[in-house]
Amino acid sequence: GESVGLHLPTLSVQEGDNSIINCAYSNSASDYFIWYKQESGKGPQFIIDIRSNMDKRQGQRVTVLLNKTVKHLSLQIAATQPGDSAVYFCAEKGQAGTALIFGKGTTLSVSS
Amino acid sequence: DVKVTQSSRYLVKRTGEKVFLECVQDMDHENMFWYRQDPGLGLRLIYFSYDVKMKEKGDIPEGYSVSREKKERFSLILESASTNQTSMYLCASQQGGYGYTFGSGTRLTVV
Repeated sequence: GESVGLHLPTLSVQEGDNSIINCAYSNSASDYFIWYKQESGKGPQFIIDIRSNMDKRQGQRVTVLLNKTVKHLSLQIAATQPGDSAVYFCAEKGQAGTALIFGKGTTLSVSS
Repeated sequence: DVKVTQSSRYLVKRTGEKVFLECVQDMDHENMFWYRQDPGLGLRLIYFSYDVKMKEKGDIPEGYSVSREKKERFSLILESASTNQTSMYLCASQQGGYGYTFGSGTRLTVV
């Protein structure tokens, strides 16, 4: 069945470093991908999305890369700050429906 | 910005009680969803709705039901709460089949 997974459950970085969070997906027919950030005690917040007809999309300090050949999605955070500490989820949407399928999340810890 | 409001941040209920979790969105979105979130299991879809009075089962509907009498409101009902339903419950709304807007979540404890 469809599934979305992440390579690492935790990632620890120093303030100012660049962070890369990875995600593998299994459904080659998925046409839309999203990254969410969830801080402790809060609901997930949208960070950035990308359609399957794109390879890269940039936002403010964040970049999402999509490699459809190996079904891999990554989120890059530039100059990571303590406020970036959170759980990050990737999600995909298959062409068949609108419900998103979520990965299990990577916990990013940023130390000063 | 779309706002999704879940009526309670924290709830404590007794085993066997009927529990209502309410969710309201303010941007006329067609689609609404209920997920539960548990450590190590991620977000799992319970029920979703594409329109008023319409509902679809997600991956784990057992022990739950939903109600969507008005477009802006999507309620999750635990018919008879059990301790294995202790979890964080997240409501989301969506328009156009793209990204969700989530509520802040309700942390439910069943004792």
